[in-house]
Amino acid sequence: DTEVTQTPKHLVMGMTNKKSLKCEQHMGHRAMYWYKQKAKKPPELMFVYSYEKLSINESVPSRFSPECPNSSLLNLHLHALQPEDSALYLCASSQGGQASSYNEQFFGPGTRLTVL
Amino acid sequence: AQTVTQSQPEMSVQEAETVTLSCTYDTSESDYYLFWYKQPPSRQMILVIRQEAYKQQNATENRFSVNFQKAAKSFSLKISDSQLGDAAMYFCAYISNYQLIWGAGTKLIIKP
Repeated sequence: DTEVTQTPKHLVMGMTNKKSLKCEQHMGHRAMYWYKQKAKKPPELMFVYSYEKLSINESVPSRFSPECPNSSLLNLHLHALQPEDSALYLCASSQGGQASSYNEQFFGPGTRLTVL
Repeated sequence: AQTVTQSQPEMSVQEAETVTLSCTYDTSESDYYLFWYKQPPSRQMILVIRQEAYKQQNATENRFSVNFQKAAKSFSLKISDSQLGDAAMYFCAYISNYQLIWGAGTKLIIKP
């Protein structure tokens, strides 16, 4: 299984709502990532979990809260978002291990988020 | 500074012809990996081809091949026999400390 799955595919939420995005992989990967992507732009890294510990947080606002319950699952909790947070949210995973080593990232299909 | 430059925001090619997408990068690392990713409209980001910097031989995957010039820090992607399904955004990237350093992307249009 070389697949990263994400749910939901689409999400529309108001600025006062609380919602969560879910990502799952069963490739035995130990590194998982959240990205935000605007149209026709490259993905922007938000968070990296390595061996279920948060290793990189790219100065993301606290209204985004990541969680890694186990090595296969990654969540992104959303609260009090702004309209400018509307974007495609991508999850990815990789083997993990030493920094700067080969670490091909496998991407999920993304969640298209709209904040009203 | 670690950067990746894709100087062609958009390219178009006639179906069945060959097109080359350019990419240059800047890194001080001696051992690294380079990637071309493809993202079709409203579809998933997938890896097209990877190149290990210590390997002199250019990577090839079916109709996709790279021209890797390490000294010039150039990593172009050649697509032969272009097909309608090749229409997508193409991103060049390399790995540094878990992070993918991305280029701005090139939109490839295939003319039937």
